[in-house]
Amino acid sequence: DAKTTQPPSMDCAEGRAANLPCNHSTISGNEYVYWYRQIHSQGPQYIIHGLKNNETNEMASLIITEDRKSSTLILPHATLRDTAVYYCIVTTSGTYKYIFGTGTRLKVLA
Amino acid sequence: GAVVSQHPSWVICKSGTSVKIECRSLDFQATTMFWYRQFPKQSLMLMATSNEGSKATYEQGVEKDKFLINHASLTLSTLTVTSAHPEDSSFYICSATSGPVGTEAFFGQGTRLTVV
Repeated sequence: DAKTTQPPSMDCAEGRAANLPCNHSTISGNEYVYWYRQIHSQGPQYIIHGLKNNETNEMASLIITEDRKSSTLILPHATLRDTAVYYCIVTTSGTYKYIFGTGTRLKVLA
Repeated sequence: GAVVSQHPSWVICKSGTSVKIECRSLDFQATTMFWYRQFPKQSLMLMATSNEGSKATYEQGVEKDKFLINHASLTLSTLTVTSAHPEDSSFYICSATSGPVGTEAFFGQGTRLTVV
């Protein structure tokens, strides 16, 4: 079973920041949090990942709480092309296995 | 990011025949590759994990004799759906990682299989 819980859907206005939450309360100390997104009928696209510290790259920022039980993916200026299903994944400890949950369907509105 | 390519992007085959799907890592050596299937409006379901030169490890409920996985090199894994039936129609996606743990995996664009 997936180790994460995400809201099933969210809307965001174009140009505004999209904040996507993820709960992973059973995460272990050496397990990473990964974020991917999937646009219809395509393979998932890697966004960002982290272990303990907050991370930022050209696509997004990842904020992980101090107790690591939850995280937030931030898309700073959402565009229509960011409309997708966003998956938060915690790998099984010591492996590369991704078990996908149901994800959050983000709709960016013009 | 790194590139993982699947071929073909879509395939239609007759019931009872076999079909092979290729997954290639184009710009890195993939020590581990994964195969997923995805039904419409559902999430990805992990089918198996394959390491180069080793037998694949299948998830519970996945028939290893039906879904043959070969990972003969560090850049190529293949999934063969044997004796395909209409219920095998699905979106098949591979991913690849160079490892170690903590390294992100990259996904192919997926293969849509339709069995008629």
